[in-house]
Amino acid sequence: NAGVTQTPKFQVLKTGQSMTLQCAQDMNHNSMYWYRQDPGMGLRLIYYSASEGTTDKGEVPNGYNVSRLNKREFSLRLESAAPSQTSVYFCASLSLGGGSYEQYFGPGTRLTVT
Amino acid sequence: AQSVAQPEDQVNVAEGNPLTVKCTYSVSGNPYLFWYVQYPNRGLQFLLKYITGDNLVKGSYGFEAEFNKSQTSFHLKKPSALVSDSALYFCAVRYGQNFVFGPGTRLSVLP
Repeated sequence: NAGVTQTPKFQVLKTGQSMTLQCAQDMNHNSMYWYRQDPGMGLRLIYYSASEGTTDKGEVPNGYNVSRLNKREFSLRLESAAPSQTSVYFCASLSLGGGSYEQYFGPGTRLTVT
Repeated sequence: AQSVAQPEDQVNVAEGNPLTVKCTYSVSGNPYLFWYVQYPNRGLQFLLKYITGDNLVKGSYGFEAEFNKSQTSFHLKKPSALVSDSALYFCAVRYGQNFVFGPGTRLSVLP
């Protein structure tokens, strides 16, 4: 049981390049999330997916797209990277079993855009 | 709008002393409140939650938190701090399918 996995762990991009961050969970959770973490700002929600086949914008969606490929996988795409997207990105899934509401987080992807 | 405030960027405490990390929230309806901890270069880990019931909730690693509805607060506490408790702590509130996180408080426990 790996929990939530993310790839890659680190990435450096040049302005204008594109990339996809991958996330997968093996806990059979319906809801999945993408956050970015910036110093002093906590975690800000980029996109979320309440169930397979649905996605919705969060607080900071501009410059990003997502795909909920299946129940396990939720990817985040940067079509044209900008320096303002330099951040640490976390994927999470939500357990609703037994009224838990506990989020499980992946280890993060540290992205630098130059 | 839903929001979470953590008024202290940094909390320093001596090992063995009690610690408190403060959180206040603003949310419509009954709040679902959470504390998470982040160790360096790691993802967030769940510590404890308040959904309903007793105002004092107990969680992992000896942490507890007190829900105070009149003060809209959910402060994290531990009776005796350990050096290994040094980390970044986040308070969060749930609304609908989403969660709003506070900016985080860095706890340093000094030996």
